[in-house]
Amino acid sequence: QKEVEQNSGPLSVPEGAIASLNCTYSDRGSQSFFWYRQYSGKSPELIMSIYSNGDKEDGRFTAQLNKASQYVSLLIRDSQPSDSATYLCAVNMGDYGGATNKLIFGTGTLLAVQP
Amino acid sequence: EAGVTQFPSHSVIEKGQTVTLRCDPISGHDNLYWYRRVMGKEIKFLLHFVKESKQDESGMPNNRFLAERTGGTYSTLKVQPAELEDSGVYFCASSQRIGGLADTQYFGPGTRLTVL
Repeated sequence: QKEVEQNSGPLSVPEGAIASLNCTYSDRGSQSFFWYRQYSGKSPELIMSIYSNGDKEDGRFTAQLNKASQYVSLLIRDSQPSDSATYLCAVNMGDYGGATNKLIFGTGTLLAVQP
Repeated sequence: EAGVTQFPSHSVIEKGQTVTLRCDPISGHDNLYWYRRVMGKEIKFLLHFVKESKQDESGMPNNRFLAERTGGTYSTLKVQPAELEDSGVYFCASSQRIGGLADTQYFGPGTRLTVL
């Protein structure tokens, strides 16, 4: 079992729709969760971070975390063609004494927003 | 403020040769991380520096890889000798806080390494 799992997609949604991206993780003790967006050939760019159960909203983006189910998701409202990219789920599985903060990534979900 | 920079952007070398990748973190960031993405796979952690010290090198694949961060500023990752399976994109990331889990890592553009 992979430590962080995502559906590779592609996930195709029409412009203006809600895109829903999902991620599950294996380490029940994980505390920090991140969504990065990566355009082809570019560096991963942080979109959202979430640490507590529930929803966190930032503009058109909402991250949802359910630690009991080991599940984190990203919702993109009013999807735009410019949102077309690979979305990477990353989980901090570092030393909880604070010594290291390595990220474990999923393979990413390719999102295609159709105009 | 300048972001994380990496050099070179692309490198093509023959099997058995040596390659050195460089990363300049965001100014003032004590944490520096190296990651690698092999084609078709997920981004994988290689190692983590706090200032000039190696905090975690659990992801380094073997002793052909040597990372340094002299003076706690820029870092280099040397692969010697390079093998075909070393091909991929090498990302560097930096973050500000030492310790703590709520720490955002900012990624550089990556170095695409091709070993022929």
